[in-house]
Amino acid sequence: GAGVSQSPRYKVAKRGQDVALRCDPISGHVSLFWYQQALGQGPEFLTYFQNEAQLDKSGLPSDRFFAERPEGSVSTLKIQRTQQEDSAVYLCASSMTSGLEYNEQFFGPGTRLTVL
Amino acid sequence: QQQVKQSPQSLIVQKGGISIINCAYENTAFDYFPWYQQFPGKGPALLIAIRPDVSEKKEGRFTISFNKSAKQFSLHIMDSQPGDSATYFCAARAGGFKTIFGAGTRLFVKA
Repeated sequence: GAGVSQSPRYKVAKRGQDVALRCDPISGHVSLFWYQQALGQGPEFLTYFQNEAQLDKSGLPSDRFFAERPEGSVSTLKIQRTQQEDSAVYLCASSMTSGLEYNEQFFGPGTRLTVL
Repeated sequence: QQQVKQSPQSLIVQKGGISIINCAYENTAFDYFPWYQQFPGKGPALLIAIRPDVSEKKEGRFTISFNKSAKQFSLHIMDSQPGDSATYFCAARAGGFKTIFGAGTRLFVKA
C-alpha cells in the first residue's frame, strides 16, 4: 500500500471491554512498532517486531496489553479489560529494515481509543 | 536518563519569522536525533534528523543545531509559514529502533 494504515480510526469502548486494533504496515517493511500517544503528549514506545518476532515489549503498560504479528506483516494490538487510563491514540509505524540501522519510521494515522 | 525534554510547550510566530524549538537529553547512548511534524488527526512524519558527529544539518528552511557537549539540540524553522503550524516532536534513538519522544511543541504561525 501507499502508507501505513490502521483500523479502526476511532474506537469507543466501555470499561472492561476487550479491543483489538489493527495495523497494516508498508508492504515489505521488516520492522513494526506500536506507540501510545496520550492527549497533548509525545508518542511512547510500546513494542517492536522484526518480522514476526516480538523483540521488545518493554513499553507495554500491563499484562492487559498484547501485540502479535503472526505472519510478519499485519499486526494487532489487543487490550483486555480496558480502563479509562487506556484512552489514547495508538500509533503504528513501520520501517524497511531491522533495528540496528537508522531507517525512517513511517507512521500510520493512529486509532483513537476512548474508554468510557 | 531515557527522557528527552522539549521546550517551549507552545510557540506563536509571525509569518516570515524564525521558529526555534529546543531539546535536551541525558542518555549519552542516544546516537540518532530525528524531528517529527504532526498535523491533527495524522501520525508523526519525519522532518529532519541528525547524528551526533555533526553539529548542524540544514534541509530547506529547516535546520538542526546539535551541541554534543551540552547534550542539547534545536530545530530552527526559517521564514515560518502558516502551513508550518503543527506540533513538532524532537526524539532520540539508541540502538536503532526504540525512539524516545519529547512532549511536543505546538507551533502556530500567524499570517
